[in-house]
Amino acid sequence: DAGVIQSPRHEVTEMGQEVTLRCKPISGHNSLFWYRQTMMRGLELLIYFNNNVPIDDSGMPEDRFSAKMPNASFSTLKIQPSEPRDSAVYFCASSFTGSGEQFFGPGTRLTVL
Amino acid sequence: KNEVEQSPQNLTAQEGEFITINCSYSVGISALHWLQQHPGGGIVSLFMLSSGKKKHGRLIATINIQEKHSSLHITASHPRDSAVYICAVHQGAQKLVFGQGTRLTINP
Repeated sequence: DAGVIQSPRHEVTEMGQEVTLRCKPISGHNSLFWYRQTMMRGLELLIYFNNNVPIDDSGMPEDRFSAKMPNASFSTLKIQPSEPRDSAVYFCASSFTGSGEQFFGPGTRLTVL
Repeated sequence: KNEVEQSPQNLTAQEGEFITINCSYSVGISALHWLQQHPGGGIVSLFMLSSGKKKHGRLIATINIQEKHSSLHITASHPRDSAVYICAVHQGAQKLVFGQGTRLTINP
């Protein structure tokens, strides 16, 4: 298996632009997680899905952030409009519910100028 | 106060030394994870445990549920062990809460 796939790996954009991050979970996994990592705050859960349904979005910082999972093999995290403080590494992870172990993607490094 | 506290934040040691990284948590958990993040940024799960001890090669993880404490040990440390080690606890079925990480550097 290819593991969790994220794209793009790097994104540089200007303040105010829309940013879309993409994730393909491991086939057969039914839980998907979006995390953000910064130097100041470390790793934080933004939102997670179970069977394509958002379960906990309490970590989503504000209305500028939105996430969707239209099917079991694809999810997006969108930031609109982006701000410099959104600069971070965004990780996607997937797991099979009940196993507990999460498999992380390589991350997307976002820089908002 | 963070719900998950790791110590030390930074650790530098010589190759061959025995390494211990500690994790304390203040909330009820169903399981605890130890993760490894290499300089390239990728995150790998090392252990998931809810009681006792687990061993994989030179790595050993222990947890004391009563004391809300876990330790990660590395025996015969090697420069390739240099990475950030992150403790994370499961709150509920799936939500993970992370410690700030311990940056380990092993010098040859």
